[in-house]
Formats: sequence, C-alpha cells, structure tokens
Amino acid sequence: DQQVKQNSPSLSVQEGRISILNCDYTNSMFDYFLWYKKYPAEGPTFLISISSIKDKNEDGRFTVFLNKSAKHLSLHIVPSQPGDSAVYFCAASAQETSGSRLTFGEGTQLTVNP
Amino acid sequence: NAGVTQTPKFQVLKTGQSMTLQCAQDMNHEYMSWYRQDPGMGLRLIHYSVGAGITDQGEVPNGYNVSRSTTEDFPLRLLSAAPSQTSVYFCASSYFAGGAIAKNIQYFGAGTRLSVL
Repeated sequence: DQQVKQNSPSLSVQEGRISILNCDYTNSMFDYFLWYKKYPAEGPTFLISISSIKDKNEDGRFTVFLNKSAKHLSLHIVPSQPGDSAVYFCAASAQETSGSRLTFGEGTQLTVNP
Repeated sequence: NAGVTQTPKFQVLKTGQSMTLQCAQDMNHEYMSWYRQDPGMGLRLIHYSVGAGITDQGEVPNGYNVSRSTTEDFPLRLLSAAPSQTSVYFCASSYFAGGAIAKNIQYFGAGTRLSVL
C-alpha cells in the first residue's frame, strides 16, 4: 500500500518557467510534509516543509502548497534553473503517532532545459 | 561539521556473504534510520532507532539487522547477502519528534551502493 504517491516519474521544463511537482497521500494521520532534492551519487537534501496547520509555505523560489481535503501537496519552483535538475522526493510523517518516521514517494526526475 | 557519514561508498558481495554498512552522525541526534533506494520505488525504511539501545523494524526489514549501542553509530548488517539486496542504502538522522507538531528534518549520508552477485 503506497501511502505517498508521486504519479509523474519525470518532468521537463524550460529555464525561467514554473516547475510544479505533485504528491498525493492516503494516510489522514500525516501531519508534516517535506520535500527532498537528490542529485546523482549524493544523499537526499532537505528542501522545504509544511505542517498540516498551514496551506502554504514559501522559501525563496520554492513554495509548497497543501490541500488537506484532497490529500494533495505540490512544490512550485519559480523561476526554474538548470541547477534545479534533480530527483525530488515528497515525504510525510504522522508525528502524533509515529514520531520521526518518514514515508517517501517514488520521486520525480525534474529536468530544466537551458 | 561532518553530519552523517556512511562507509563504504561502494561494495560488491557474493551471494551468502555478510557485511556491515557503517553510519555515524555527529549532530547528537536521537533518531537514526536506514533506507534503501530502488528504481521507481523511492526510499523505503529498513530499520530505525529512537535512541541508544532502542531499535525497530521499518517497511522492509527482512535480511537486515541493526543495533544502536551509542548515540553516534547505527550499523546495518546483512546476514547472508542476496541479489535482491542490490540497492543504494542511505542512513539518516534527526532530532526525535513526537506528540506535537515539530520540525522533523532528517539529514542523509551520501549513500552506499551495494551489488550482490
């Protein structure tokens, strides 16, 4: 049972345009959501997060939106840059019940073309 | 500040061999975990620990053992390697969060790429 799902294995955008990466979840106990970015041959690095008491969190070019009723979150990157080309993982935790344990999606490969 | 250090970076084993993947963190984090990454499957949790002397199983624990004798170290043991364990393994650590909504950012090592022939 895949509790966190990223339905798009890949996404290609032009430099300067918006990148939108999507993530859906099924577990209503999830209360904290994170996005990680991963370059080849490196470990994932934290990008941005959002708690379930908010519907938007912004950090520079990166904004995460949470729609709890739809159990859906998205990551917007504006403007996209070639250096943003990486695999992006969505992750979720149910901190009230499971503490620090994270459940990850399958990942989306973002390619930003110059 | 080294963060999370994993050794070795690469390893090739024959079926049936055993080995230990090392993980050390210098951030005094209570929580440590091991994941494996396989194509199209994201990161799957193998085992985790919420503190020294406490470990628990994750999503895919079969064929792996862990122990946590110190806060800093969390080794992962493959008892009898199988080709199905060919994967990239990541160790991560964070402050323990529970009971209240709090930041729970896990920091990852660079990974160990394991091939079992």
